[in-house]
Amino acid sequence: SQQGEEDPQALSIQEGENATMNCSYKTSINNLQWYRQNSGRGLVHLILIRSNEREKHSGRLRVTLDTSKKSSSLLITASRAADTASYFCATSGNTPLVFGKGTRLSVIA
Amino acid sequence: DGGITQSPKYLFRKEGQNVTLSCEQNLNHDAMYWYRQDPGQGLRLIYYSQIVNDFQKGDIAEGYSVSREKKESFPLTVTSAQKNPTAFYLCASGSGTGNNQPQHFGDGTRLSIL
Repeated sequence: SQQGEEDPQALSIQEGENATMNCSYKTSINNLQWYRQNSGRGLVHLILIRSNEREKHSGRLRVTLDTSKKSSSLLITASRAADTASYFCATSGNTPLVFGKGTRLSVIA
Repeated sequence: DGGITQSPKYLFRKEGQNVTLSCEQNLNHDAMYWYRQDPGQGLRLIYYSQIVNDFQKGDIAEGYSVSREKKESFPLTVTSAQKNPTAFYLCASGSGTGNNQPQHFGDGTRLSIL
């Protein structure tokens, strides 16, 4: 059962622009995590935000969480061609992580 | 370097054949997971294990089997009962026995039918 749903499914931007991806989920969570996947590779954990947190930063990444709307956003600032990848949100609760279908980000140099 | 190693990178299965995908970790993590990823899709949980000699079914366990005899190893067998095995299989591990920790992933095995 996939709980997280990312939006948009695909995003194409120019290098230097900001990229924003959204994730909506359905049930209560302990935390929400964002992962990145380069083509043909495994996922890499980017950032975790707990249910009692509203915003978190890590380098060029900014994650927000609105538990009242059951939604999260991932902002990548000053994007680079190397940021081209798929990004997944994953929700954590009483069951193992549940992943969404991802957003495919293309950053054009 | 600590990490997760999946092998082989590519695997081909004949009709009626069982195949086993290897997953080894040296991160000293208690929990290990197997996921299936189809093109353009997210990850679906096949099996997971939170401690040695114990494992639980995930959302799509039918046609698959696992064992967890050692902390470091969590092999996945795709049996002949799995009629649509072509997919990208990802193994992951996590510290602690809970479900809330970040997961570390291997680089996957791509399975195809001959």
